[in-house]
Amino acid sequence: EAGVAQSPRYKIIEKRQSVAFWCNPISGHATLYWYQQILGQGPKLLIQFQNNGVVDDSQLPKDRFSAERLKGVDSTLKIQPAKLEDSAVYLCASSPRPGTNEKLFFGSGTQLSVL
Amino acid sequence: DAKTTQPPSMDCAEGRAANLPCNHSTISGNEYVYWYRQIHSQGPQYIIHGLKNNETNEMASLIITEDRKSSTLILPHATLRDTAVYYCIVRVTGNQFYFGTGTSLTVIP
Repeated sequence: EAGVAQSPRYKIIEKRQSVAFWCNPISGHATLYWYQQILGQGPKLLIQFQNNGVVDDSQLPKDRFSAERLKGVDSTLKIQPAKLEDSAVYLCASSPRPGTNEKLFFGSGTQLSVL
Repeated sequence: DAKTTQPPSMDCAEGRAANLPCNHSTISGNEYVYWYRQIHSQGPQYIIHGLKNNETNEMASLIITEDRKSSTLILPHATLRDTAVYYCIVRVTGNQFYFGTGTSLTVIP
């Protein structure tokens, strides 16, 4: 079974530039999550999709971050404009469907450096 | 926000059992406890989860206290490959998984 795919693996940009990350979840997984992990901290949930609808985006900085999940499959997370404090690893995760045995499957993440 | 509290770091001798504690005193009756671990430069990896009964799988055992306010993850025979950050998570209603800061486990040869 193919895992969660993310690209790019690394990205370096200057502050005020824009950047986008892509995630392809495991086939058939209905729920998709984006997390931000700053060095030395645990992952912070940014947004959760159920199919192509947003379930929770309470921690997404909406003035600069946006995310979409087209047709309930792939997802993109965009930052525009980037700030120095956005330097982090951006993790995508997916899960089959809500239920008692729901597990998150994570991709390897995109490491963003904002200079 | 994370509903769990964990010690920031622990050491364990190779071959011995590693017991990682977690407090989740505000957990609700239908919220599950999950454990994940993260090895450097990788995404978190699922270990085990449970509601109120003790659970065991090929990787670890999960012991949940009767009042469900705390739990312990047990790695029965720790190896060097078990060196990682271990996260205890409460899955809240709505299926959100909020991570805390985790416990950095170092397995010592």
